[in-house]
Amino acid sequence: AQTVTQSQPEMSVQEAETVTLSCTYDTSESNYYLFWYKQPPSRQMILVIRQEAYKQQNATENRFSVNFQKAAKSFSLKISDSQLGDTAMYFCAFVNNAGNMLTFGGGTRLMVKP
Amino acid sequence: DAGVIQSPRHEVTEMGQEVTLRCKPISGHDYLFWYRQTMMRGLELLIYFNNNVPIDDSGMPEDRFSAKMPNASFSTLKIQPSEPRDSAVYFCASSFGNRDLYNSPLHFGNGTRLTVT
Repeated sequence: AQTVTQSQPEMSVQEAETVTLSCTYDTSESNYYLFWYKQPPSRQMILVIRQEAYKQQNATENRFSVNFQKAAKSFSLKISDSQLGDTAMYFCAFVNNAGNMLTFGGGTRLMVKP
Repeated sequence: DAGVIQSPRHEVTEMGQEVTLRCKPISGHDYLFWYRQTMMRGLELLIYFNNNVPIDDSGMPEDRFSAKMPNASFSTLKIQPSEPRDSAVYFCASSFGNRDLYNSPLHFGNGTRLTVT
């Protein structure tokens, strides 16, 4: 069974600064998928960024980027130039290669302060 | 596409009553998942379907919970009888599964907030 761990229950950052959210996982599979989802107060789950395990290049989406360390089973999310709208819960998620099992971490609550 | 549609958005009921949550997945998606979100446990997978067939219901907490998917465009999650500890946000999500997982990851509905008093 896969497990996903987010060791930071809460974090805060000043507007315009950079913050990194950590995520580690455990799996015996060689290929899989990793995602970061954002859940603002509206409750909607929004896909932020995704990474396929066999791709060594770190994914980037505008101000969001990841540091994927496959050997260490680490998948951290970096948010640059933080904005007030980035305030939300962030979930790291693991999907197996078969695509039929999505496991979430416990979430990190991020507060961006003005 | 309207996305995954869940109803109702909020549900308040008394202990012992039957509760039915509804979900319409994105057209063409062949996987449907039900998740429960609580402060204590985070996001838990309850059950998932592939082509309308329940594949894994090991996350369903008790016999009071049941889920059905009578066709490709509709699923229900029923709790009978409901208890206060069932209070949570229930999410439905759908995807193409392993046909195109990377380009079509899980799409979530907006969730149903259930409060059992």
